[in-house]
Amino acid sequence: EVQLLESGGGLVQPGGSLRLSCAASGFTFSTYAMTWVRQAPEEGLEWVSGISDSGTSTFYADSVKGRFTISRDNSKNTLFLQMNSLRAEDTAVYYCAMAAITNWYFDLWGRGTLVTVSS
Amino acid sequence: EIVMTQSPATLSVSPGERATLSCRASQSVASHLAWYQQKPGQAPRLLMYAASTRATGVPARFSGSGSVTELTLTISSLQSEDFAVYYCQQYKNWPLTFGGGTKVEIK
Repeated sequence: EVQLLESGGGLVQPGGSLRLSCAASGFTFSTYAMTWVRQAPEEGLEWVSGISDSGTSTFYADSVKGRFTISRDNSKNTLFLQMNSLRAEDTAVYYCAMAAITNWYFDLWGRGTLVTVSS
Repeated sequence: EIVMTQSPATLSVSPGERATLSCRASQSVASHLAWYQQKPGQAPRLLMYAASTRATGVPARFSGSGSVTELTLTISSLQSEDFAVYYCQQYKNWPLTFGGGTKVEIK
């Protein structure tokens, strides 16, 4: 079955760090660009970060640039998001998603993992 | 950054009626636009890409049109399972951006 499964969310204090993981299965992970999209409670979708299939190119929203780092391990079919200097406004469900083979729209999504930044 | 503006924020429609959702871009996205459907407690689902191409398994009652800065998603005859929030997303330029969403609710 083709699927993405996020993990690593939880409660963290402001200024803290968290590392999210996204395990891919059922497809050739190394041939697809990947992304993280988040959704704050009762809010819309916000694109966070993207990474090319090989991992050589990375992209970030201004709101997380310099604080978050996206990476991938193609040998383990896993996507990561290292989140540092977390703020209350980073509280959201974080989804990983697979980009289409030729473009940056997303045709496979995980179920999401909740990150709560609060003291 | 390309700002995506969706209207209306909420659309009240009776089952069987037509729904028209608008997505306006602050600058040209050509046809580099996708539409997603999201139901409560679920991840988004891709409906449309390249402005007017239905994703795999999406019913024919969904159609996309427009280009450049004015794009539209039309649901020709609303079914009960179509009541949800719909988002547009441009992938013409970095950063990628989503619209604020249109909630389609039962009238």
